[in-house]
Amino acid sequence: EAGVAQSPRYKIIEKRQSVAFWCNPISGHATLYWYQQILGQGPKLLIQFQNNGVVDDSQLPKDRFSAERLKGVDSTLKIQPAKLEDSAVYLCASSLVLQGETQYFGPGTRLLVL
Amino acid sequence: GENVEQHPSTLSVQEGDSAVIKCTYSDSASNYFPWYKQELGKRPQLIIDIRSNVGEKKDQRIAVTLNKTAKHFSLHITETQPEDSAVYFCASSGNMLTFGGGTRLMVKP
Repeated sequence: EAGVAQSPRYKIIEKRQSVAFWCNPISGHATLYWYQQILGQGPKLLIQFQNNGVVDDSQLPKDRFSAERLKGVDSTLKIQPAKLEDSAVYLCASSLVLQGETQYFGPGTRLLVL
Repeated sequence: GENVEQHPSTLSVQEGDSAVIKCTYSDSASNYFPWYKQELGKRPQLIIDIRSNVGEKKDQRIAVTLNKTAKHFSLHITETQPEDSAVYFCASSGNMLTFGGGTRLMVKP
């Protein structure tokens, strides 16, 4: 079974630029999550989708971050405009159902904002 | 929202010794508690999990215990090996998965 795929793996941008990350979950997984992991910290949930609907985006900085999962499969996370403090690894994860199930993580996208 | 505290932040043990990592959580409705291992530059990988209807679970050298009354759960690794060196994260799930701050485990050969 193929795992969670993410691209790009690395991205370097200047502050105030925009950037987008892509995630393809494990086939058949209804739930998709985006996490931000700052160096030395645990992952922090930004948004979770159930199929193509948003379940929770309470920790997503909506003034600059947006995410979509239009067809209920792959997803895109966008930052516009980026700030220095957005430098982090952005992890995508998926699970079969919403709660209490194993989440499988992708390799992440390492973002550096200069 | 949920708050997960994890201790210690770093742990150094000699190969063959045991390692124990402890976590506390705040949301009494949380019912799923996974542990992830993350090697440098790699993705978090699930190593063991426990649900609220169970007090203890074991998988070879790894065990997890849960005390729902105290809102406390722990990871135990026995007979540690150098390849166990990594950062370990506990997490608690009610409506969303909340991670602890991580423990950097170093196993000295």
